[in-house]
Amino acid sequence: DSGVTQTPKHLITATGQRVTLRCSPRSGDLSVYWYQQSLDQGLQFLIQYYNGEERAKGNILERFSAQQFPDLHSELNLSSLELGDSALYFCASSVAGQINEQFFGPGTRLTVL
Amino acid sequence: AQSVTQPDIHITVSEGASLELRCNYSYGATPYLFWYVQSPGQGLQLLLKYFSGDTLVQGIKGFEAEFKRSQSSFNLRKPSVHWSDAAEYFCAVGPAGGGADGLTFGKGTHLIIQP
Repeated sequence: DSGVTQTPKHLITATGQRVTLRCSPRSGDLSVYWYQQSLDQGLQFLIQYYNGEERAKGNILERFSAQQFPDLHSELNLSSLELGDSALYFCASSVAGQINEQFFGPGTRLTVL
Repeated sequence: AQSVTQPDIHITVSEGASLELRCNYSYGATPYLFWYVQSPGQGLQLLLKYFSGDTLVQGIKGFEAEFKRSQSSFNLRKPSVHWSDAAEYFCAVGPAGGGADGLTFGKGTHLIIQP
């Protein structure tokens, strides 16, 4: 158990819909990262937040957005969902804002029908 | 842009045999290097990391990895594998020197253990 929690574990929805994935970092960690894991793209970094502020951006689509709240939990919002958005979405946390050891949550499996 | 290559998609090893998983990276400077393991239905667990110093690093579960700058490699090794080592293994790089960014992962190597 890494100490990072993600909800929900599974999510099934239809194309065109919007969903929100939630992540709570390890106690004391200020950085949260979001990753997408799919069969064709592998593991891809989406976005990083540090202490409430966006810190780095990866291959995140414009239909996707994230935020980190004052209690440091983070949400990833996916809108206008397409079949290709079906994937495993991981959240990771680390202590600092710069690159460091990241602890991964168990992931949320999103299925878009 | 940085990239990570794990040339072996699948590797089959007999239980008790030694293991080496290959990882090559492309990066402008010396990166931070990581190996993660993912068991079916699980998140990623960090096995070991290299930031600087001794190029041979020890990790959890009996794994070690060696950073070779001249070959841009960071291969993972284990002297004797156990059936519980069957999993997906990912090599990853991140920017050294305090840069903020996510990790860049390889495509992974699926390890199969034969009894």
